[in-house]
Amino acid sequence: QVQLVQSGAEVEKPGASVKVSCKAAGYSFTSYVIHWLRQAPGQRLEWMGWINADNGDTKYSQKFQGRVTFTRDTSATTAYMELSSLRFEDRAVYYCAKSGIAWLGPDFWGQGTLLSVSS
Amino acid sequence: DIQMTQSPSSLSASVGDRVTITCRASQGIRNYLAWFQQKPGKAPKSLIYDASTLQSGVPSHFSGSGSGTDFTLTISSLQPEDFATYYCQQYHLYPYTFGQGTKLEIK
Repeated sequence: QVQLVQSGAEVEKPGASVKVSCKAAGYSFTSYVIHWLRQAPGQRLEWMGWINADNGDTKYSQKFQGRVTFTRDTSATTAYMELSSLRFEDRAVYYCAKSGIAWLGPDFWGQGTLLSVSS
Repeated sequence: DIQMTQSPSSLSASVGDRVTITCRASQGIRNYLAWFQQKPGKAPKSLIYDASTLQSGVPSHFSGSGSGTDFTLTISSLQPEDFATYYCQQYHLYPYTFGQGTKLEIK
């Protein structure tokens, strides 16, 4: 069955960078895009962008442009999200999600990775 | 960015009730609207896409409708496992945006 398994919780200092991984299994990794989203405590879900797992093309939300980088390793069927220049307000649960068969939105989600930013 | 507004923000209902959640977009999004269910401490689960297409495996007492700017999620007969928070999301234009959520609680 489809699985997206994300890396564990992270604690980082302001100004640092964090890299979250998303290991895919149970489907053809390069046939879909991987979305990245986040949810701050008590806030609505926020879409950060996607990476085409086949050719590596990316689309970033303008809010995160210049601070976030999506990459993927097709041999490891793993996608990565790196967020730099961390701020306190980046504290959130970060999710990866694969697109659907019939639609390109975030169809199936990983379990989430909690990022805490603390000095 | 397209603003998505859900109503109500919270709702109390009983098992067996019929409930409707509304989602309004700040501009037309055709039918590029999805609904998600999220339970505490869990990742969101996709229920509906293209405004009215039920995801495989989602019970048929869930349904969605609408087009343009106004959309609804209807749960025809609430089951105990349906108590959760529901989000709408538009994917017509970037950035994809979500509603603020509707928390469905047991009365």
